[in-house]
Amino acid sequence: GAGVSQSPSNKVTEKGKDVELRCDPISGHTALYWYRQSLGQGLEFLIYFQGNSAPDKSGLPSDRFSAERTGGSVSTLTIQRTQQEDSAVYLCASLPYQSTEAFFGQGTRLTVV
Amino acid sequence: GESVGLHLPTLSVQEGDNSIINCAYSNSASDYFIWYKQESGKGPQFIIDIRSNMDKRQGQRVTVLLNKTVKHLSLQIAATQPGDSAVYFCAENNAGNKLTFGGGTRVLVKP
Repeated sequence: GAGVSQSPSNKVTEKGKDVELRCDPISGHTALYWYRQSLGQGLEFLIYFQGNSAPDKSGLPSDRFSAERTGGSVSTLTIQRTQQEDSAVYLCASLPYQSTEAFFGQGTRLTVV
Repeated sequence: GESVGLHLPTLSVQEGDNSIINCAYSNSASDYFIWYKQESGKGPQFIIDIRSNMDKRQGQRVTVLLNKTVKHLSLQIAATQPGDSAVYFCAENNAGNKLTFGGGTRVLVKP
């Protein structure tokens, strides 16, 4: 596909379980972001990958959150021991090098019950 | 994590009128300022950007104004249409290509 793909689109998990969210960026895009969005609210920055540089993890809310980007392409956001407050839509975006136009995926709606 | 806006403000506008959405930014070193539109159930979508050395840029039915003196950014939408109903976010692009979003504004277009 031509766009950013995220999977799953919806995920319901039990409190305390681990979840993995996947993002397939647009081929060739060097920058990849993860954001979290609670219902009716703004975009909370989580983590940023740019090429081969060390990721900017300054937005990760706790050490239960981690992310990796393999081969400069696919990224996985992992949330360990999920809590109810982790429930939100997790958005991934990718950008070409030195571009301001971020291309967002449709998001993964995570519900922790 | 960095939190960007709770309980988004709402702008109600009559169809056909012009809309003005405002945003205050904090980083004077940003290279670009950008506006994104997010429709319900979708990810944000790029609308227009403006370089920091400019004060105005026009697109199709949209104009972005940048006032660096007071660190203020605005988006003007001409002849607002029902399809313009969405949440609008401002963003800054800093050195190293990091994209930081500011608070959003919900625009509701009344028929």
